[in-house]
Amino acid sequence: AQSVTQLDSQVPVFEEAPVELRCNYSSSVSVYLFWYVQYPNQGLQLLLKYLSGSTLVKGINGFEAEFNKSQTSFHLRKPSVHISDTAEYFCAVSEPGETSGSRLTFGEGTQLTVNP
Amino acid sequence: ETGVTQSPTHLIKTRGQQVTLRCSSQSGHNTVSWYQQALGQGPQFIFQYYREEENGRGNFPPRFSGLQFPNYSSELNVNALELDDSALYLCASSLGRRAETQYFGPGTRLLVL
Repeated sequence: AQSVTQLDSQVPVFEEAPVELRCNYSSSVSVYLFWYVQYPNQGLQLLLKYLSGSTLVKGINGFEAEFNKSQTSFHLRKPSVHISDTAEYFCAVSEPGETSGSRLTFGEGTQLTVNP
Repeated sequence: ETGVTQSPTHLIKTRGQQVTLRCSSQSGHNTVSWYQQALGQGPQFIFQYYREEENGRGNFPPRFSGLQFPNYSSELNVNALELDDSALYLCASSLGRRAETQYFGPGTRLLVL
């Protein structure tokens, strides 16, 4: 069974500082990896995804993540954050199936708070 | 291109009642997945439908049931509501049976009193 651990429940940073949100997963097979963002009282917006290929993935709003298979990690980074990046961030994993659909398994979330 | 829409946005029910939540998938998508997000937690997979057939189910009791229509819209039905069913219910649409990338709607917030 797959699982996801987001190592920090809350990350406070100052505006224009760099940030890293950490995510580790466990799975016995190859995986797809995702980061979603959730603003207050809203649904989930896809930030970026890793399906295959290059391990460095670039997403929307200046975010990027690196897939590290040996460390089973998929950390999210942004070199300079804005106040508007304040939100809850979820890491998710799925196992590609040949005949069945992919179900996302989510971590518990990391609340990113950007202070002026 | 129309995104995923859900209705209603908010709902209040009492324990023991039944509820139906609705989801319209993104244009061109034929797979719908449902998730439950309790307060302060990550979403939990309920089930998935592909071309009107169930295509996977999570660890939820049978009183959680679903349906997908020929236009690929979907319903989530919950019978005999319990207080713990209070949550944000998220629908996600994707293309194909493998549903590799899922796009979420705004959710329906259900409160059970």
